[in-house]
Formats: sequence, structure tokens, C-alpha cells
Amino acid sequence: EPEVTQTPSHQVTQMGQEVILRCVPISNHLYFYWYRQILGQKVEFLVSFYNNEISEKSEIFDDQFSVERPDGSNFTLKIRSTKLEDSAMYFCASSVSRFGNTIYFGEGSWLTVV
Amino acid sequence: GNSVTQMEGPVTLSEEAFLTINCTYTATGYPSLFWYVQYPGEGLQLLLKATKADDKGSNKGFEATYRKETTSFHLEKGSVQVSDSAVYFCALTSEGNTGKLIFGQGTTLQVKP
Repeated sequence: EPEVTQTPSHQVTQMGQEVILRCVPISNHLYFYWYRQILGQKVEFLVSFYNNEISEKSEIFDDQFSVERPDGSNFTLKIRSTKLEDSAMYFCASSVSRFGNTIYFGEGSWLTVV
Repeated sequence: GNSVTQMEGPVTLSEEAFLTINCTYTATGYPSLFWYVQYPGEGLQLLLKATKADDKGSNKGFEATYRKETTSFHLEKGSVQVSDSAVYFCALTSEGNTGKLIFGQGTTLQVKP
């Protein structure tokens, strides 16, 4: 079964450093998402992306965050200057469309900011 | 905006016990409803979904029925196994059907042999 793949699975970074999390969505999907889950808390929406632009973003997704689809397969989340509170599991997800279709999640990238 | 509330965990059951995890929602329009499961150390996997009122989603012995009159989507399983131990998340699509999902807090289920 097709799946969303994410790299790295775990990254430790120093506060203030830039981090790029990478994702390969399912190949025929058109909508891409990033969510995050701080340890022990609920999964929170960060951003959705369609047709090479952001279609929706949450309050969490401030100027420190950016997303990009640099080629036909990858979808990246960049955190420009990491803070301790950015430590979380980041999930990439994709779907065929946005109307009630299943959103498929990757296994997550665990980011630890020290 | 749309929101979802799940019962607090953890839920601890013996193997073969009956499981119910309550989920209620508040929404405008007609959201789709989902249950996702997160096994220890893994990502989110779709367990089941329902896209309209009275639909029943089912998978791996789990079921949930989209009840518009009670705004609920409770997860049930007749006989749980140790391998069902995981965190279960109820979710719904946001208003305007933007594709965004709104998740509940998650309910941890621990099944003991």
C-alpha cells in the first residue's frame, strides 16, 4: 500500500538552528499537510498546501516556518530558528482531495531542540 | 469553529473486554469523522471513517456510527486484544471542508492479558 514517508525519523538540534524536515507524499495525492504533536498533547494542524501554495495555516505557523515543494515528489517543512518549544513530533500527511477523503499520515519526525 | 471532545484516558481493560471510547463533536455543516490510532513509537494510522450521518465505519473489529442527533462518533470493539493497546484519536474535518483535520485529545488504551 502506498505510504507517506518522512525523514529524518529523529533529529536533535541546538536552539536557534535551522531545521528541514522532509516528506514524500503519496504519488497521486494533491493536498499536503504538516501537523505536529507536542509530547502528551493533541495533534495540531500547522499548514496545508495545494497547487504550490499554502491554502491554510494555523496560528502556530508563524514566520519561523515555511513549506516548499522543491520538486515533483518532496514536500518540506523548514523551521528557520528553532526554539525549545518547537520540540515535537511533526507529521506530514497527504490526500487526494480535501472533500472528506482520507488523509494519510507519515510516521513522523521527532524533533528535539536543546 | 469545529471541535471534538474525547473521553479522558487512560482506559485499562482486560483482554476480551468490550471497549467504548466516547467522542462528541461540535460542527457547522456536515463534517467527515475519523478515528486514527497511534501504536507505541509509530505514526498515525487511519482506523475508520464515516462521511455522512448514520454511516458506520468499521475496521479490524472496531466500529463507530456517525450520529448527527447526538453529535457523537463513539468507537466500540466487542473484544479487545493486547495488540489493541495504543492511543486513539477522534478527528473531524474543519468547517469549509478545507481538508484540515481537527483532533481530539487522544485516549490511551491499555489492554492487559
